[in-house]
Amino acid sequence: QVQLVESGGGVVQPARSLRLSCAASGFTFSDFHIHWVRQAPGKGPEWVTCISYDGSNQFYADSVKGRFTVSRDNSKNTLYLQMNSLRPEDTAVYYCARGTTNHAFDIWGQGTTVTVSS
Amino acid sequence: EVVLTQSPATLSLSPGERAALSCRASQNIKTYLAWYQQRPGQAPRLLIYDTSNRATGIPARFSGSGSGTDFTLTISGLEAEDFVVYYCQQRLSWPLTFGGGTKVEIK
Repeated sequence: QVQLVESGGGVVQPARSLRLSCAASGFTFSDFHIHWVRQAPGKGPEWVTCISYDGSNQFYADSVKGRFTVSRDNSKNTLYLQMNSLRPEDTAVYYCARGTTNHAFDIWGQGTTVTVSS
Repeated sequence: EVVLTQSPATLSLSPGERAALSCRASQNIKTYLAWYQQRPGQAPRLLIYDTSNRATGIPARFSGSGSGTDFTLTISGLEAEDFVVYYCQQRLSWPLTFGGGTKVEIK
């Protein structure tokens, strides 16, 4: 079935790095823009970044611009999020989500938890 | 950045009643609004896109309306599984933004 599965979360100290992955299955990955959306404990979702279907365009929230990099490998049906210079306020569940042509998120992964703490 | 304000923060209703959830945008977003439902411990689920279009598999009791800056998600006849949290999201411009959420609780 159509599925996104995130991995790579964990506990990391401030200023360190972490790379998240998102494996897609059940649909033609290379046809879709894919997003990362995060949700801090007890808060609403926050859009983080989007990468176009072919990887040629990326968009970032101001809160992560210059620190996070999104990429994709369409041959492996996998999305990545390289997170550098992590801050405590980056602590959240990180979801990858498939974007529709209307920039809604119609398929979500189960999320992976990132905790930034010393 | 488009700021979305949802009200009320909490809505207390009984099963079978009608719920009306509001989402107000800080600027005109045309009809570029989506609604999501989130159950505890789960990812959000797309309910409505572009104001009034139900996503695949969403029951007809969920409907959306509005345009410009004022939008409403209506749930006609609340069922037990509907007592969770709802978020709106705009796609007019980057960054994509979400509202703060409305929790629908059992009265």
